[in-house]
Amino acid sequence: DQQVKQNSPSLSVQEGRISILNCDYTNSMFDYFLWYKKYPAEGPTFLISISSIKDKNEDGRFTVFLNKSAKHLSLHIVPSQPGDSAVYFCAASPGTGGGNKLTFGTGTQLKVEL
Amino acid sequence: DGGITQSPKYLFRKEGQNVTLSCEQNLNHDAMYWYRQDPGQGLRLIYYSQIVNDFQKGDIAEGYSVSREKKESFPLTVTSAQKNPTAFYLCASRAANEKLFFGSGTQLSVL
Repeated sequence: DQQVKQNSPSLSVQEGRISILNCDYTNSMFDYFLWYKKYPAEGPTFLISISSIKDKNEDGRFTVFLNKSAKHLSLHIVPSQPGDSAVYFCAASPGTGGGNKLTFGTGTQLKVEL
Repeated sequence: DGGITQSPKYLFRKEGQNVTLSCEQNLNHDAMYWYRQDPGQGLRLIYYSQIVNDFQKGDIAEGYSVSREKKESFPLTVTSAQKNPTAFYLCASRAANEKLFFGSGTQLSVL
């Protein structure tokens, strides 16, 4: 049972345009969400997070939107750069208490073309 | 330099053999995690530990074992009972702000 879903396995965007990566979840107990970026043969690195008390969080070129009623979040990258080409994982947690498990989505491979 | 160190980078396992993947952190984090990544799948949780001398099974613990004798170290043993061990293994520790910090991973393959 995939509780966190990233339905697009890949996405191709031109440099300078907007990249939109989507994530859906089914567990209503999730209220903290994170995005991680992963290059081949490396560990994921934290990108941005959002708590369920917010519907938007912005950090430079990266913005995460949360729609709790739809159980949907999205990551916007503007403008997209070639260095953004990586796999992006969405992750969710039932609260921010220590030791809570993160459940990850299957990832979306983003390719930013020149 | 603070971080998570995983070794080795590549590991090969023979049939019936147990192998141990090392994970060390100098971030002073209490919680540590082991994930497995397979092609086309997300990161699946194998085991996690919130404090020294304590650990819990994750979603796919069968065929694996761990120990947490020191705060800094959380080794994972892939036993012969794990019939499909070929995967990319990631160790992580968790900061107080809930963010996970990952090591660079170990690619395990079967000979």
